Amino acid sequence: GQNIDQPTEMTATEGAIVQINCTYQTSGFNGLFWYQQHAGEAPTFLSYNVLDGLEEKGRFSSFLSRSKGYSYLLLKELQMKDSASYLCAVTDSNYQLIWGAGTKLIIKP
Amino acid sequence: ETGVTQTPRHLVMGMTNKKSLKCEQHLGHNAMYWYKQSAKKPLELMFVYSLEERVENNSVPSRFSPECPNSSHLFLHLHTLQPEDSALYLCASSQQTGEAYEQYFGPGTRLTVT
Repeated sequence: GQNIDQPTEMTATEGAIVQINCTYQTSGFNGLFWYQQHAGEAPTFLSYNVLDGLEEKGRFSSFLSRSKGYSYLLLKELQMKDSASYLCAVTDSNYQLIWGAGTKLIIKP
Repeated sequence: ETGVTQTPRHLVMGMTNKKSLKCEQHLGHNAMYWYKQSAKKPLELMFVYSLEERVENNSVPSRFSPECPNSSHLFLHLHTLQPEDSALYLCASSQQTGEAYEQYFGPGTRLTVT
């Protein structure tokens, strides 16, 4: 079956760095997405990786290793507003998005 | 962000009621989606429409009935729901299906079935 695994919850301190991991097992691969979802709000797009390596976008970076079925989202200089759920999703061979359950990130002062 | 709007934002309905959820996208996209989001579970894809034609129905119970009258509007008609159908229902749109396009989400309708 198809499966996306990510930690249920993580806690980090304001100003610090946190890495949220995502591992996947899917029938084919056509890219991996990270979305951010604040409580009670819509998920919003953060990043897309289709080739191995690191994609940097301001304070957020996303890494992909296709051979390992692994990605991480790196958040630097954490701010209180980064408290949210982070959703990992993989596009399979049929271009269907397979979603993880999300990682709830709690930022403490 | 008003690219994808959903109404109502909150809905409480009894198991014998009939109601409809509405989604509208202002992004010029050709594909629209309905998702169900339950606490601590992955997003569940319910329906996909591409150019107003339904291309996917992931074995959703018939008490959920989608309608896509044009590429900008999507409805989800609800009838004789069960308490386990209580969840956040999210609408999304993308440029089209068949490629790895980013999806844009609406704020969702929080549905409670009593």
